Amino acid sequence: AQTVTQSQPEMSVQEAETVTLSCTYDTSESDYYLFWYKQPPSRQMILVIRQEAYKQQNATENRFSVNFQKAAKSFSLKISDSQLGDAAMYFCAYKNYGGSQGNLIFGKGTKLSVKP
Amino acid sequence: DARVTQTPRHKVTEMGQEVTMRCQPILGHNTVFWYRQTMMQGLELLAYFRNRAPLDDSGMPKDRFSAEMPDATLATLKIQPSEPRDSAVYFCASGLVRTSGYNEQFFGPGTRLTVL
Repeated sequence: AQTVTQSQPEMSVQEAETVTLSCTYDTSESDYYLFWYKQPPSRQMILVIRQEAYKQQNATENRFSVNFQKAAKSFSLKISDSQLGDAAMYFCAYKNYGGSQGNLIFGKGTKLSVKP
Repeated sequence: DARVTQTPRHKVTEMGQEVTMRCQPILGHNTVFWYRQTMMQGLELLAYFRNRAPLDDSGMPKDRFSAEMPDATLATLKIQPSEPRDSAVYFCASGLVRTSGYNEQFFGPGTRLTVL
């Protein structure tokens, strides 16, 4: 069974600085997706970024980028120029490729605080 | 602006009472997921449906939980009888799964359940 581990329960960053959130996962599959979700106090789950395992290039979305290390099964999220609105819980998630197993497997989350 | 809706947003009930949570997936989506979020366990899959048929409900306590899709526009999650340990946020998500390629899951706002 696949597992996702986030080893940092809480992180803090100064506004405008850069922070990296860590995630490791375990799977025997070669094709899969990895995601970072943001959950603000409103509880809404918001997709931040996704990475296809077959792509070597790291995904980027504006201030958000990932460092995907397939051999090490590591998938970290870097937030640049942190803003107060980035404060939230961040969840790393895994999904098998293809339609047969469509559910997401989540890590326990990292609570990010942004200091003004 | 298509979105997943869930009702009720909040529910407080007493132990032993029946609880029904409802989800309206995005029109045209063929897959519906139920996730539960607690502080201890994080986000975990309870059940999911494809074209209204249950594909996986292994995460759901069978003795008290039941999930159904009476039609393509409604998914229900029922707990009978409810217990204090069922207190959690229950998320519904929907997606359009094809034979290959990426398919995003769109999350509803969640139902916060408190069982006294």
